Amino acid sequence: DGGITQSPKYLFRKEGQNVTLSCEQNLNHDAMYWYRQDPGQGLRLIYYSQIVNDFQKGDIAEGYSVSREKKESFPLTVTSAQKNPTAFYLCASTTDYYGYTFGSGTRLTVV
Amino acid sequence: AQSVTQPDIHITVSEGASLELRCNYSYGATPYLFWYVQSPGQGLQLLLKYFSGDTLVQGIKGFEAEFKRSQSSFNLRKPSVHWSDAAEYFCAVGGGNKLTFGTGTQLKVEL
Repeated sequence: DGGITQSPKYLFRKEGQNVTLSCEQNLNHDAMYWYRQDPGQGLRLIYYSQIVNDFQKGDIAEGYSVSREKKESFPLTVTSAQKNPTAFYLCASTTDYYGYTFGSGTRLTVV
Repeated sequence: AQSVTQPDIHITVSEGASLELRCNYSYGATPYLFWYVQSPGQGLQLLLKYFSGDTLVQGIKGFEAEFKRSQSSFNLRKPSVHWSDAAEYFCAVGGGNKLTFGTGTQLKVEL
């Protein structure tokens, strides 16, 4: 079945450490997105990519980085510059902007 | 800039009662509007979407929503709520290449 796979489901980060969240889709979608979800704040856009080797900053890009070397993959790195990274991270994709398909999320916790 | 307001943070209804979740949006052109549902620790699932045409749209799980341009609203309704509908519901507005989400409404269903 086609879908989006996010891994790991749970991730723990030490202070000052970079971590990378994986997002893979086999839907042949062109556009991919990363959202951050915090209680009471809805979903906030971190980065998005509409084609391979191109991506744009969203509303809260500071402290994050991404790459889009393959159509299927859009990994998100949470760098040490992100001072409050504890959150639920959601990856999504779409081919025609008529509705996004979401992964099941990664919960990142700073320890 | 586009924005979405979901004025109700929490709503409690009895099983079998009707439901209406409110959503107001701000968008400079004809909006694309969406409702998503999220179970705890999971990704978002698309319930329904509106692009044009009939202002009353039907979705999955017995949900419907009505687009009212004069009120900039896109409220979600269900005639009879089931206990399994307990979840968080997000309204989103978009056009082009990205969606903006509301802060969500947490639905509790009393048996």
